[in-house]
Amino acid sequence: EPEVTQTPSHQVTQMGQEVILRCVPISNHLYFYWYRQILGQKVEFLVSFYNNEISEKSEIFDDQFSVERPDGSNFTLKIRSTKLEDSAMYFCASSDGGVETQYFGPGTRLLVL
Amino acid sequence: ELKVEQNPLFLSMQEGKNYTIYCNYSTTSDRLYWYRQDPGKSLESLFVLLSNGAVKQEGRLMASLDTKARLSTLHITAAVHDLSATYFCAVDMWGDFGNEKLTFGTGTRLTIIP
Repeated sequence: EPEVTQTPSHQVTQMGQEVILRCVPISNHLYFYWYRQILGQKVEFLVSFYNNEISEKSEIFDDQFSVERPDGSNFTLKIRSTKLEDSAMYFCASSDGGVETQYFGPGTRLLVL
Repeated sequence: ELKVEQNPLFLSMQEGKNYTIYCNYSTTSDRLYWYRQDPGKSLESLFVLLSNGAVKQEGRLMASLDTKARLSTLHITAAVHDLSATYFCAVDMWGDFGNEKLTFGTGTRLTIIP
């Protein structure tokens, strides 16, 4: 069964450093998303991406964040200068649009020290 | 701004009992999703509810949607330990580019006690 994959599974970084989180969405999907979940809290939307551009972003997704689809398979989230409060689990998701559910990857646990 | 609330936030129940989790949302939407999350794991899709009156069942779980009341329920029948997890409802906001984002509820942490 097709699935969304994410790398790395865990990342520890120093405050102020740049991190890139990688995702491989399900191959025939057209819509891609990033969400985050701070420990013990609900899942929060960050950004959606369709047709090689951002379709919507939340207030959390400020200038420190960027997304890219560098090739036909990968979808990346970059945090330029990490802050302590960026520590969270980051989930990538994809869907084929329409009414289908979004399929979530296993997540990357980011810890900023 | 869309708000999605679940209750209860925590639920501890004995095996064999029935219970219902409620999900209320603040603006019109006719698409609602239920996900399950085990500790430290990702979100597993359980149900997709697409219209008023929709009812879906899988094993001991049954979900329903009342769009007029802006309410969805997740009913657990004869609970077993394997159902212990956190359950999230999520409402779809359809935007200019299609299925743009999910707004998640606060989650209900369910613990089944033997």
